[in-house]
Amino acid sequence: QVLLVESGGDVVQPGKSLRLSCAVSGLTISDSPMNWVRQAPGKGLEWLAYISETGDRIYYAESARGRFAVSRDNSKKTLFFDMSSLVPEDTATYFCARERAGASFDHWGPGTLVTVSS
Amino acid sequence: SYVLTQSPPVSVAPGQTAALTCGGVDIDTKSVHWYQHQPGAAPILVIFNDNERPSGIPDRFSGSNSGNAASLTISRVEPGDEADYYCQVWDTASGHRVFGGGTKLTV
Repeated sequence: QVLLVESGGDVVQPGKSLRLSCAVSGLTISDSPMNWVRQAPGKGLEWLAYISETGDRIYYAESARGRFAVSRDNSKKTLFFDMSSLVPEDTATYFCARERAGASFDHWGPGTLVTVSS
Repeated sequence: SYVLTQSPPVSVAPGQTAALTCGGVDIDTKSVHWYQHQPGAAPILVIFNDNERPSGIPDRFSGSNSGNAASLTISRVEPGDEADYYCQVWDTASGHRVFGGGTKLTV
């Protein structure tokens, strides 16, 4: 059974940093490109970042570039998402997703909630 | 970057057919994927590569892609199909993955 489980979501003050993790089981993570996607309250899905199987290729959405960083540790079967200089507009549920055929996302975690508020 | 425009909210009665569209410039040159997203749950891939169904997705779900519009068709709609549906593509020029704004399906 494939499981992706995000963790690290919290209530943080504006300007603070946060690290999200995504633990993967039931699939070979070293064969899997991964992505981070978020959904702000009342809004749609927003793609944030892609990281290749080995981490040698990374892409960011404009909203993530410069403040957010994606990384992975295949030996620990874990994906990371480091967020800095958080603003209230970053309040959202953050999902990790495994990428497969044609850049579709075939497995998703349940998400972790990040709330940025003073 | 590449923009996907999805159709307005759709309301259908059980047993009817729902047709959702996703527009983009020359979208037929890209592979389009569709996701079902219900509140509080993880999104589910229902169509990939324009018209392929992942295992476990009923054949009531079908997709097509032509010209500047892709579509998701849900036949014999059931109450459990009520959700937000998102289209998504890979913009190879930028490397970005792109989602449409979503369409809410009410049954």
